[in-house]
Amino acid sequence: AQTVTQSQPEMSVQEAETVTLSCTYDTSESDYYLFWYKQPPSRQMILVIRQEAYKQQNATENRFSVNFQKAAKSFSLKISDSQLGDAAMYFCAYRLPTNDMRFGAGTRLTVKP
Amino acid sequence: EAGVVQSPRYKIIEKKQPVAFWCNPISGHNTLYWYRQNLGQGPELLIRYENEEAVDDSQLPKDRFSAERLKGVDSTLKIQPAELGDSAVYLCASSPSSYNSPLHFGNGTRLTVT
Repeated sequence: AQTVTQSQPEMSVQEAETVTLSCTYDTSESDYYLFWYKQPPSRQMILVIRQEAYKQQNATENRFSVNFQKAAKSFSLKISDSQLGDAAMYFCAYRLPTNDMRFGAGTRLTVKP
Repeated sequence: EAGVVQSPRYKIIEKKQPVAFWCNPISGHNTLYWYRQNLGQGPELLIRYENEEAVDDSQLPKDRFSAERLKGVDSTLKIQPAELGDSAVYLCASSPSSYNSPLHFGNGTRLTVT
C-alpha cells in the first residue's frame, strides 16, 4: 500500500523560532514528487514547497525548507522565523507519474506570540 | 489566472436527501481530482479524471456516489441518498497532466447531513 504518515498531530512553536514537521511515505516507485501544503481555517489548500525525488539538493522557499532523505523515505518541513500567519494545518503529499496523489493526515501548527 | 471554483460553499441536508457539488477547474488543466476531507484529517481521494475519463474511482462508494466530467472541463459529484457519515468537506483540485505540477484546490464544499 502506498501511504503518507505524519506522526505529529499537533505542534507548537514560539513566534520567530524554528519548527520541523515530520513526514514519512511509502511507495514502490522510484520517481515521484513530494509536496507540502498549508491549509488555514479558510480551507484553501496552499502549496508551500515541492521536491523532486531525483534531486538530492533539498528545496527551499524563503523561510521554508525541506530535509529529504530518499532512502529513509522521509520528507520533513522546516519553518524558520515562524510567524503568526504560519498557523495552519500542514499536509505532506506525494504525486506519482500516474498522477496518483496521496496526502498524510496532517499536522496542526500553532504559533505562540 | 482564475482559480478552481467550487459551489456551493456550504450545504446542509437531511439524511436520505440527494446533494450535488460542482467544480470548475483552471482552464487547460486536464487532470481533476475530488477529495473528501473529514474534520482534522487529510484529503482522501474519491475520483480522478484525465480529461473526461475517470481513471481512478476505486475509492468512490459507487452505491451512492456518482461523478461526471462533461467535455473534460466542469465536474459534478453527486451523493444519493446522503448518510450522516457523509458529513465532510469535499475538495476539488485540478492540475496539468504532469506529476511535477502541484494541485490547485478550490475552497471546498462543507456538507452537513442531519
